[in-house]
Amino acid sequence: QKEVEQDPGPLSVPEGAIVSLNCTYSNSAFQYFMWYRQYSRKGPELLMYTYSSGNKEDGRFTAQVDKSSKYISLFIRDSQPSDSATYLCAMSGGNYGQNFVFGPGTRLSVLP
Amino acid sequence: DTAVSQTPKYLVTQMGNDKSIKCEQNLGHDTMYWYKQDSKKFLKIMFSYNNKELIINETVPNRFSPKSPDKAHLNLHINSLELGDSAVYFCASSQDSIRGGGLETQYFGPGTRLLVL
Repeated sequence: QKEVEQDPGPLSVPEGAIVSLNCTYSNSAFQYFMWYRQYSRKGPELLMYTYSSGNKEDGRFTAQVDKSSKYISLFIRDSQPSDSATYLCAMSGGNYGQNFVFGPGTRLSVLP
Repeated sequence: DTAVSQTPKYLVTQMGNDKSIKCEQNLGHDTMYWYKQDSKKFLKIMFSYNNKELIINETVPNRFSPKSPDKAHLNLHINSLELGDSAVYFCASSQDSIRGGGLETQYFGPGTRLLVL
């Protein structure tokens, strides 16, 4: 089993739809959970982060973490064509040593 | 002003050649990274330097050698390029190291698209 799994998509939705992006992971040591957005031919940029379980909201974006299920989600409300990008989950935590990993990303297209 | 810059943006070269990619950050960060993103968009860390000291070295062929002349620069030299090295290479920086498992916002450069023929 890969350390972090994410549906690669592509996911196509109409403008205004609610989008749900998800990651599952296997390492129970992860404590910090991040979502990065990557536009085509650009580097990733941090969108949101959460610590441990719970929800965090920022404008149209809500990040949700369920550590018991090892499952994290990013919800986008009222999606816009400008949200079209690849969304990568990332997580870190645990003991000394390499403990930061990106998911493979989900490509999202919001159609006008 | 570009926070993290990389040169060149595109690099097309023949198998067996040696090439370098340069990275500079003007954010005053202590830590810099190199990532490889393959054709399936999987982003994998290769190296990390904190204050010019190598702190993360993933299972990367020793044909890849990072060099950090100062904490604002982290260059990547690749010897004897192979077809499988074709990918997008991203440089990133953060204030402190991610090695401790904490939360550190990483700022990424625009990427260098390497194609080995």
